Amino acid sequence: GAGVSQSPSNKVTEKGKDVELRCDPISGHTALYWYRQSLGQGLEFLIYFQGNSAPDKSGLPSDRFSAERTGGSVSTLTIQRTQQEDSAVYLCASSLGTGMNQPQHFGDGTRLSIL
Amino acid sequence: GESVGLHLPTLSVQEGDNSIINCAYSNSASDYFIWYKQESGKGPQFIIDIRSNMDKRQGQRVTVLLNKTVKHLSLQIAATQPGDSAVYFCAEILTGANSKLTFGKGITLSVRP
Repeated sequence: GAGVSQSPSNKVTEKGKDVELRCDPISGHTALYWYRQSLGQGLEFLIYFQGNSAPDKSGLPSDRFSAERTGGSVSTLTIQRTQQEDSAVYLCASSLGTGMNQPQHFGDGTRLSIL
Repeated sequence: GESVGLHLPTLSVQEGDNSIINCAYSNSASDYFIWYKQESGKGPQFIIDIRSNMDKRQGQRVTVLLNKTVKHLSLQIAATQPGDSAVYFCAEILTGANSKLTFGKGITLSVRP
């Protein structure tokens, strides 16, 4: 497909469980971003990848959150020991680069519900 | 801290009228701005962008205006259609190291038939 693909689209899990969210960026996009969107809110930056490296992890809310990217393509966001406040939509975006006229394009997100 | 905010949470317009959605930003160093449209259950969709060295940019039925003096951004939608109903976000970027988007909370546009 031509767009950013995220899976699963929905995830319901029990508090304390670990979850793994996947993002397939647009082919050729070197920059990849994770954001979190709570109900009715704007988007909160979590982490950014340039290639396989993550120069900015400043948005990760706690050490339970981690992310990796392999082969400069697919990225996974892992949340360990999930808490109810982790419930949100997790959105992934990718862009050709980080310069001007290189807008970020988003997937449809993973809706995470922690029971 | 720096923030991007939207003046009004909701906007209701008559089908066929023009819509104007406003946004204020506070980081004077931001050099790139993007408007996104988000429909229910979907991710944000790129609408139009503008660089800080421009004050106006036109797309298909949409125009973005940038006023750096008052740090104001607006999105104008001509001949608003029912399909334009969505939440609209403005976002600012300081390009360079990570270019993370800073989003406002969003404004809901509702188009009356």
